[in-house]
Amino acid sequence: GQQLNQSPQSMFIQEGEDVSMNCTSSSIFNTWLWYKQDPGEGPVLLIALYKAGELTSNGRLTAQFGITRKDSFLNISASIPSDVGIYFCAGPEDRDDKIIFGKGTRLHILP
Amino acid sequence: SAVISQKPSRDICQRGTSLTIQCQVDSQVTMMFWYRQQPGQSLTLIATANQGSEATYESGFVIDKFPISRPNLTFSTLTVSNMSPEDSSIYLCSAEDLAGGLTDTQYFGPGTRLTVL
Repeated sequence: GQQLNQSPQSMFIQEGEDVSMNCTSSSIFNTWLWYKQDPGEGPVLLIALYKAGELTSNGRLTAQFGITRKDSFLNISASIPSDVGIYFCAGPEDRDDKIIFGKGTRLHILP
Repeated sequence: SAVISQKPSRDICQRGTSLTIQCQVDSQVTMMFWYRQQPGQSLTLIATANQGSEATYESGFVIDKFPISRPNLTFSTLTVSNMSPEDSSIYLCSAEDLAGGLTDTQYFGPGTRLTVL
C-alpha cells in the first residue's frame, strides 16, 4: 500500500527558531493533512490541503501541497514552547477514503 | 469541525478481561473510525465503524478481538477483548463528515490510554 515518509524524525531547536518538516510519498495524493499531537491527547488537525501547489497558513504555520502531488511541507515560524509535540502528515489512500499517517516528526524545544 | 469525546480517558486492566471504549460525536457524521497508537508509534487504523452494519476491519484486526458497534450517526463503541499486555496502547476514535464540504478530513477524540497488566 501507499506509505508516507516524514523527515526529520525528530528536531531539537531553540525557542524563536523557524521549523521546517516534510512528507513524501512514492505515489500521488489528492489531499494532504497535517496534524499535531500533544502528549496524552488525540491528534488535532492543523491544516488541510486539497490542490497541487496550494499554500495555506494557520497563524505561524504554513503548509504547501507539492506540485508533483507526492510531497508536502509544513513550516512553523518563530517557534514557542507550546509548539512541542508530534507532527503527523496524513492523506487518503487512492483506493478508498481511509487515511494513512506518516510516522511523525517529534519537535523538541531546548530551554 | 466535529467535537469528539471518549470514555474512559484511561484504564488499567488485568490480563484476560475486556474493556469497552465509548466515542461520542457532537453532531451526526458520515464516517467513524477506530485507531490504535502503540507507544511512540504512529496511528494504525483498526476498523471503520459502519452505522447499522458490521464494521470493516483492516488486515491484522478481527471482530472477535475488537468488536465494534455503531448504533447511530453520533456514537460508537470499541471493545478490546481478552486483553494481553500487547494490547497496551492509546485507542483513538475519529469522525469524518462527508456532507460537511471538507472531504477526507478526519477529526479525533482525545484517546483512551489502556494499560494491561
